[in-house]
Amino acid sequence: QVQLQESGPGLVKPSGTLSLTCTVSGDSISSSNWWNWVRQSPGKGLEWIGEIYHDGSTNSNPSLKSRVIISVAKSRNQLYLDLTSVTAADTAVYYCVGGPNAVAAAFDYWGQGIPVTVSS
Amino acid sequence: DIQMTQSPSSLSASVGDRVTITCRASQGISNFLNWYQQKPGKAPKVLIRAASSLQSGAPSRFSGSGSGTDFTLTINSLQPEDFATYYCQQSFTIPYTFGQGTKLEIK
Repeated sequence: QVQLQESGPGLVKPSGTLSLTCTVSGDSISSSNWWNWVRQSPGKGLEWIGEIYHDGSTNSNPSLKSRVIISVAKSRNQLYLDLTSVTAADTAVYYCVGGPNAVAAAFDYWGQGIPVTVSS
Repeated sequence: DIQMTQSPSSLSASVGDRVTITCRASQGISNFLNWYQQKPGKAPKVLIRAASSLQSGAPSRFSGSGSGTDFTLTINSLQPEDFATYYCQQSFTIPYTFGQGTKLEIK
């Protein structure tokens, strides 16, 4: 059973960088899954941030693209999210999400989510 | 971006009722449409994938249909545990996008 666990600071200052870690258990991060970050805020609902495959291929939401860095550490079975130049609009619950590398795939695996507030 | 529009935004129903939630895509997405259920304080959970395939372990009272731009999620014989918020999501093209959600409440 695949389990995902997000970790990181719950409070980030405006203009700073939001950095989160997702630890994957029950599966190898080198398996045939895309690993995603999704966030949820009251104002914008569910928003897909981006994804990474174990070979390092990434895709990200154009609305955030210039501020998003997603990476993996295979040896640690972890993936990471860095979101730079944050503002209050980046306040949200951030989810680590996994889905198969397949046509018409869904987001099968979700972490419990980590709330992050951007405030001074 | 493909816009996903759900209706209604909220819905009141009783245990045993049959309810239908619709999701419309701003352009054709074939059957690249997934449905999720979310309960307060929890992460979304996939119910239906590829418009009509029931996720393993999901109750058979849930069903999905549609193709192109118009999709429906139907719940037959509502159970107390079904009161939650439901989201559609397109996996046709990046950026993947979600509907705004339909909150299903007890009447």
